Amino acid sequence: AQSVSQHNHHVILSEAASLELGCNYSYGGTVNLFWYVQYPGQHLQLLLKYFSGDPLVKGIKGFEAEFIKSKFSFNLRKPSVQWSDTAEYFCAPRPIPQRFGAGTRLTVKP
Amino acid sequence: NAGVTQTPKFRILKIGQSMTLQCTQDMNHNYMYWYRQDPGMGLKLIYYSVGAGITDKGEVPNGYNVSRSTTEDFPLRLELAAPSQTSVYFCASRGLGTDTQYFGPGTRLTVL
Repeated sequence: AQSVSQHNHHVILSEAASLELGCNYSYGGTVNLFWYVQYPGQHLQLLLKYFSGDPLVKGIKGFEAEFIKSKFSFNLRKPSVQWSDTAEYFCAPRPIPQRFGAGTRLTVKP
Repeated sequence: NAGVTQTPKFRILKIGQSMTLQCTQDMNHNYMYWYRQDPGMGLKLIYYSVGAGITDKGEVPNGYNVSRSTTEDFPLRLELAAPSQTSVYFCASRGLGTDTQYFGPGTRLTVL
């Protein structure tokens, strides 16, 4: 069965703390992997994506994610979060139709 | 280039009423999607379309209908609104041969 799970529902961090959000998926074939972000009051935006090649991909605003095929994981990281990173983050492995994880709400305290 | 637009932004319906959520994209994308977003539940796919005249059910299609008569428009129809359909609805589109979905700003629907 196709599925995607995000382990953390709500993460609260102080500014400058490091961030890692977990994402695991279950698919039988080749996947493309995405992280989307939804800032308060805004719609979803693409943060980063992985198709092939270097398993460490860099996205916007200092975010990166590492694809570990053996663990079926695509965890999102940022070395030092800012208050402006407060948002909801969605992991989405694809093929069609696109599946989204339940989301992780990140709150960064100033 | 406006991207993906949705109307209305907000709507309150009474139980049993019907309405259509509009979605339009001006990027000539083949693929279009309707999702609903409920707190703590993430995004659930309602319906999707791979091109004009072709639609298919997603994970939670019950209570909804769609049509795709043109490439640009993908309206979502609620025939008999129920409180369980209170949610935020997002439309998205994706171009043929690409992998990135572009999302509209969403429609917040409340059914009382």
